[in-house]
Amino acid sequence: EVQLVESGGGLVQPGGSLRLSCAASGFTFSSYWMSWVRQAPGKGLEWVANMKPDGSEKYYVDSVKGRVTISRDNAKNSLYLQMNSLRAEDTAVYYCARDYIVVVAGGFYFYGLDVWGQGTTVTVSS
Amino acid sequence: QSVLTQPPSASGTPGQRVTISCSGSSSNIGSNTVNWYQQLPGTAPKLLIYTNNQRPSGVPDRFSGSKSGTSASLAISGLQSEDEADYYCAAWDDSLNGHVVFGGGTKVTVL
Repeated sequence: EVQLVESGGGLVQPGGSLRLSCAASGFTFSSYWMSWVRQAPGKGLEWVANMKPDGSEKYYVDSVKGRVTISRDNAKNSLYLQMNSLRAEDTAVYYCARDYIVVVAGGFYFYGLDVWGQGTTVTVSS
Repeated sequence: QSVLTQPPSASGTPGQRVTISCSGSSSNIGSNTVNWYQQLPGTAPKLLIYTNNQRPSGVPDRFSGSKSGTSASLAISGLQSEDEADYYCAAWDDSLNGHVVFGGGTKVTVL
């Protein structure tokens, strides 16, 4: 069964740090782009970041650039999100998701996020 | 403020057809494919439509997608009570080094 399981969420004070993890199983993790998507309480979805299978390309939403780092360990079938200088507006459920990306000459096509985890909750509050 | 614009709500009675619009720009919908997600209450999102109009295995054919220019739409025909959920459109955006953008979501209510 294809599965993604997030962990690492919790309560953190403003300015603090947190590292989220996502354990993948049931598919060849090292072949897929992976993303993090978040959802603030009562709000819509916001894509946070994604990265190429070999880690050579990473993309971030502007609101987290410089504070958040996406990384992966293909040997451990795991994806990570290191979040620093956390703000109240970072409070959300964070989902790990598998990218459906088709690579073509000169670039790639993003077709969607086809597998999602159940999410882990991050609360930034004093 | 979401980059892609969706109506906040839509509704219909069982059996009716409901359509949700998604408006973007030349840097996202205008130059990339659109995907749609269904989020049932209290659950993670699920990919409903990819590359504008393709359904993943297991998605009923009463869900259909289309795209024209910088806009896209999701149609639910033969509306059922279990379709009551939030629906989001998304696309890759080529501006600012590239990133995924979502619509604000549309809450579908089955009356």
